[in-house]
Amino acid sequence: EVQLVESGGGLVQPGRSLKLSCLASGFTFSNYGMNWIRQAPGKGLEWVASISSSSSYIYYADTVKGRFTISRDNAKNTLYLQMTSLRSEDTALYYCASFNYGSYWGQGVMVTVSS
Amino acid sequence: DVVMTQTPVSLSVAIGQPASISCKSSQSLVGTSGKTYLNWLLQRPGQSPKRLIYLVSKLDSGIPDRFSGSGSETDFTLKISRVEADDLGVYYCLQGTHFPYTFGAGTKLELK
Repeated sequence: EVQLVESGGGLVQPGRSLKLSCLASGFTFSNYGMNWIRQAPGKGLEWVASISSSSSYIYYADTVKGRFTISRDNAKNTLYLQMTSLRSEDTALYYCASFNYGSYWGQGVMVTVSS
Repeated sequence: DVVMTQTPVSLSVAIGQPASISCKSSQSLVGTSGKTYLNWLLQRPGQSPKRLIYLVSKLDSGIPDRFSGSGSETDFTLKISRVEADDLGVYYCLQGTHFPYTFGAGTKLELK
């Protein structure tokens, strides 16, 4: 069974950092480009960042560029999102996902940025 | 950035009736490989998004053939031939050709 399980979310103060993880199982993780997608409460979906299968190519949304870092460890089947200088507008449910080839989505992890 | 204009914002449909959602992109979604990475997703209430269609018209495994996708370049359509209760939720188009990847704003499908 294919699974993507996100973890590491929570309540954090503005300006602080948080690191999300996404553990993959049930498919060959190292073959797929991966993404972080977020959804603010009651809003639509927003692409955050992408990383190619071998980490050769990395892209970010302008809203997070310079503050977030996407990475992966194929030996551990894990995708990461290091988030720094967090803002209230980063409050959202964060999904890890692959969708251009195979389609795999996690259940999401909530990040709340508030003082 | 590629803007994905999705219409309508909401759709009220009776069970058994057809439904159609449009998605227009601000530039061609044909990539350098010649492929068009246009996806359709359904997010049911309280659930993660689920891909229904990829590469414009290819149906994902397990998705009933009541769903179909069509279009090219900048103009795309998702059609449901006969709506069922399980189809309710928010539909999104997603372009995966050009970075930054972008979503349509969503279409909420409700029962009439």
